[in-house]
Amino acid sequence: DTAVSQTPKYLVTQMGNDKSIKCEQNLGHDTMYWYKQDSKKFLKIMFSYNNKELIINETVPNRFSPKSPDKAHLNLHINSLELGDSAVYFCASSQAAGQGTEKLFFGSGTQLSVL
Amino acid sequence: EDQVTQSPEALRLQEGESSSLNCSYTVSGLRGLFWYRQDPGKGPEFLFTLYSAGEEKEKERLKATLTKKESFLHITAPKPEDSATYLCAVKYGGSQGNLIFGKGTKLSVKP
Repeated sequence: DTAVSQTPKYLVTQMGNDKSIKCEQNLGHDTMYWYKQDSKKFLKIMFSYNNKELIINETVPNRFSPKSPDKAHLNLHINSLELGDSAVYFCASSQAAGQGTEKLFFGSGTQLSVL
Repeated sequence: EDQVTQSPEALRLQEGESSSLNCSYTVSGLRGLFWYRQDPGKGPEFLFTLYSAGEEKEKERLKATLTKKESFLHITAPKPEDSATYLCAVKYGGSQGNLIFGKGTKLSVKP
């Protein structure tokens, strides 16, 4: 059983489109994250979401919005896609604060290509 | 200014040739330093967490150490299967509980 699964694995789309990436974790964790890994393999936090509290990295454009229907899911919606959005997006999860939150479990990534 | 700097960017070793990867950090109020391994096409996989200077952790051929300014990941007698990108990350007072990653060291071990 995959602990953190995200779909799709690959996403190719045109500039200006709106797309979503889904993420699900079966670890019972309380906190979920979205990270972006650019072409230089630099991994940067985009959002963290814990018990309905959303912490947003101030550098993330408001075209990106996380949506969490329940504790096990954190989807990423992207509006008006731009060329610069091309990257690999990773979902991750961890236990609640104070319970070893350091150990992040990552999904296998979604490679987004905007043409 | 980068808060977490890893060196070298890439390292090529022969099988059995021991070496070390470096992770230096400039943040204050460190709450933890973490090492992850990332294989091509996959998400990072947790290796170690270090909390205070002088702390050491070991796993198979890997040993992580921490000082007040940097961490080392020592690889003893590496094998080809140790080839991967090794990522260092920190959590500190100003990171809102999030991990801030370095750019990684790509390790290649040739048989």
